[in-house]
Amino acid sequence: DTEVTQTPKHLVMGMTNKKSLKCEQHMGHRAMYWYKQKAKKPPELMFVYSYEKLSINESVPSRFSPECPNSSLLNLHLHALQPEDSALYLCASSQVGLQDSYNSPLHFGNGTRLTVT
Amino acid sequence: GENVEQHPSTLSVQEGDSAVIKCTYSDSASNYFPWYKQELGKGPQLIIDIRSNVGEKKDQRIAVTLNKTAKHFSLHITETQPEDSAVYFCAASKVINAGNMLTFGGGTRLMVKP
Repeated sequence: DTEVTQTPKHLVMGMTNKKSLKCEQHMGHRAMYWYKQKAKKPPELMFVYSYEKLSINESVPSRFSPECPNSSLLNLHLHALQPEDSALYLCASSQVGLQDSYNSPLHFGNGTRLTVT
Repeated sequence: GENVEQHPSTLSVQEGDSAVIKCTYSDSASNYFPWYKQELGKGPQLIIDIRSNVGEKKDQRIAVTLNKTAKHFSLHITETQPEDSAVYFCAASKVINAGNMLTFGGGTRLMVKP
């Protein structure tokens, strides 16, 4: 079983709804990530948080709003989504990367399968 | 930015045979190369990784090789078993803003026939 827990496992929402995806880890990792994965495609990076601060936003539309309330939790708030936003949303965590040093692996959760109707 | 190419996109082998998946990357600043296995309905799970100061790493039936000069790295699975069937992703990574920036290859669907 993964050490990164994502809830809910499945979510169906209308285009006018507001919903949130939640992610939790207790490995002491201070970097957390949101990825989006469409069917038969690799994961695509959306956001990176380092030390609870947003460090990377990969030009994601504002209808996706991330939040990192503490070092163990990561949320993704959803509002006014489009059907093409339907995908598997993956959360991951890792130790913080050090410049000019080697990376540590990302640990992924099992994702939230989102369907926008 | 980084570009990772992965081949083949599908691979079918007989149980007990070996499987090889190859990747190339473009950014010489990438220094960490993990491989992930993704089963249906699950998130990617790390199976092996290699850093740029190492040429080869092995863990039981799985091995990874890295040619930093040519920007190639490969995954080798020996004595394949039906439970090895999954989608495998290679990735290249570097640190940006204290985050580990992973760029994934397109994935290889491995099917092991009993």
